[in-house]
Amino acid sequence: AQTVTQSQPEMSVQEAETVTLSCTYDTSESNYYLFWYKQPPSRQMILVIRQEAYKQQNATENRFSVNFQKAAKSFSLKISDSQLGDTAMYFCAFMGLSGYALNFGKGTSLLVTP
Amino acid sequence: NAGVTQTPKFQVLKTGQSMTLQCAQDMNHEYMSWYRQDPGMGLRLIHYSVGAGITDQGEVPNGYNVSRSTTEDFPLRLLSAAPSQTSVYFCASSYRDFYEQYFGPGTRLTVT
Repeated sequence: AQTVTQSQPEMSVQEAETVTLSCTYDTSESNYYLFWYKQPPSRQMILVIRQEAYKQQNATENRFSVNFQKAAKSFSLKISDSQLGDTAMYFCAFMGLSGYALNFGKGTSLLVTP
Repeated sequence: NAGVTQTPKFQVLKTGQSMTLQCAQDMNHEYMSWYRQDPGMGLRLIHYSVGAGITDQGEVPNGYNVSRSTTEDFPLRLLSAAPSQTSVYFCASSYRDFYEQYFGPGTRLTVT
């Protein structure tokens, strides 16, 4: 079974600064997908970014980018120019060959301060 | 499109009671799933369906039942509620395998 580890339970960053959230995973599969989901206080799960393991290029979505290191099984999320609206719980998730089930990490609570 | 909808948003049950959490999607997605979220645990898969008439168990299926008679609907049934089932429940759907999963707004369930 795949496991996803987020080693930072809580993080804090000042507005306009950059923050990196860590995620590592364990799998024996060679092809898979990785995701970062954001959960604001509203509880809604929102997809932030997605990475396909067979693609070498790191995914980016506006202020959000990932550092995908396949050999190290690491998938960190960088948030640039942090905004107050980025305050949320962030979950790293793995999808393997099943194609349907997401394995989630325990989450990192991010607080953006003025 | 309404996306993925869930009802109710909040529910309080007594131990032993049964209830059904409703989930519907209007995106013609084949795949639907139920997850539960507990503090400090992330989300865990309860049951999933890859199409109408096809369901299977996820990581934590005990105490829950599902059926999928239509593409749109995927209800989750609690047969005899227990305090351990106090959680936030999310329904999700995706077009097919390896595609993004769209989540509903969640149902907060408390079992006393």
